[in-house]
Amino acid sequence: QKEVEQNSGPLSVPEGAIASLNCTYSDRGSQSFFWYRQYSGKSPELIMFIYSNGDKEDGRFTAQLNKASQYVSLLIRDSQPSDSATYLCAVNEISSGSARQLTFGSGTQLTVLP
Amino acid sequence: ETGVTQTPRHLVMGMTNKKSLKCEQHLGHNAMYWYKQSAKKPLELMFVYSLEERVENNSVPSRFSPECPNSSHLFLHLHTLQPEDSALYLCASSQAAPHGGTQYFGPGTRLLVL
Repeated sequence: QKEVEQNSGPLSVPEGAIASLNCTYSDRGSQSFFWYRQYSGKSPELIMFIYSNGDKEDGRFTAQLNKASQYVSLLIRDSQPSDSATYLCAVNEISSGSARQLTFGSGTQLTVLP
Repeated sequence: ETGVTQTPRHLVMGMTNKKSLKCEQHLGHNAMYWYKQSAKKPLELMFVYSLEERVENNSVPSRFSPECPNSSHLFLHLHTLQPEDSALYLCASSQAAPHGGTQYFGPGTRLLVL
């Protein structure tokens, strides 16, 4: 059974600090990795995706991937109260044919304190 | 309309009712997905339609029946549901590529089964 594990939190950081969200996955064949943000009562929205080992930066967000350790993380710099949400890690498993399936973690709840 | 839309946004139904959820994507994608999100649980993939291929999670009960008449529209037909089926049902779409790309979610239908 393919699994994606996240610390459920809640994770609390003060405004302006760096929030670090972590995710591990069990399938070594996984190719693509996604971070989604989900506000309470809303649907998930994509923040970033990463395919290659190393870091990928987009504004205040940095995704880090280490395939050898089967580990992906999301750093949020200069955290703002508006970043308070649940962050979902998702891993792409390559299935047969053209279908693409994502396996989601259960999410980490982040609270940024003013 | 842009992105992925879902109707209705909220639905209350009895266990003997039959209802349908509708999803429409305006992104030019050719793969569509149904997910179930229950409280404190990871997103659960229910069905995938990608080009000519349908992939389903074998653990989904037969009281859920998907229909995908074309690449832009997706339905989830519901009949004789149980109270434990109460959840947020999310539709998503993507390009049907074996690698890369992203799934974009609709706003969801909040379902309550009495």
